[in-house]
Amino acid sequence: SYVLTQPPSVSVAPGKTARIACGGNNLGTKSVHWYQQKPGQAPMVVIYDDSDRPSGIPERFSGSNSGNTATLTISRVAAADEADYYCQVWDSSTEHRVFGGGTKLTVL
Amino acid sequence: QVQLVQSGTEVKKVGASVNVSCKASGYIFTGFYLHWVRQAPGQGLEWMGWINPNSGDTDYAQNFQGWVTMTRDTSISTVYLDLSRLRSDDTAVYFCARAPSCSGGNCQKHYFDYWGQGTLVTVSS
Repeated sequence: SYVLTQPPSVSVAPGKTARIACGGNNLGTKSVHWYQQKPGQAPMVVIYDDSDRPSGIPERFSGSNSGNTATLTISRVAAADEADYYCQVWDSSTEHRVFGGGTKLTVL
Repeated sequence: QVQLVQSGTEVKKVGASVNVSCKASGYIFTGFYLHWVRQAPGQGLEWMGWINPNSGDTDYAQNFQGWVTMTRDTSISTVYLDLSRLRSDDTAVYFCARAPSCSGGNCQKHYFDYWGQGTLVTVSS
């Protein structure tokens, strides 16, 4: 089955840019979705289809996907962005959804 | 507005079964698939499977085949997750989540746009 790999943690100072990677074989041929999850809450999509933002998500959130890596970029990071972030794709071979292991973003 | 409201916390013994519900409102119930996602304490998200509320068709991740059953009751816009033969490592929060219908097609661009609040299932010996 398809595997998505994320770094367990990323740390960034307030006001700086955070980049969270998601790796997978030929990931650039798939559509990647990103979810934010804060403690005690359900996940919430912040980027879908590689780089589209749902309404209500700040422009500071952006995404890209090429080769074997998708990246969620958060500009001008704020304390409120501290959360776990998960990438997700649809695996065409099994027709199942797959999540990455998640990355904990810490705002220093 | 779209809402997915799940049933409350459950505490079960090892070997028991549990039924978790997810009631949908604010949209046409049969127009979207409903998925279940598991999150063990301190762990990541794990996709369990989906149910098509229109047909009742289901598809389960390999890890959950044989002991998970997803059903629906269209009269009350509710889907159910039945877990049998519970083990202690089934202790987790279980979420339902909505995604567009996708039957035999390309589901790449379909993401989970609404989620339930989660149901904690604790399994103890």
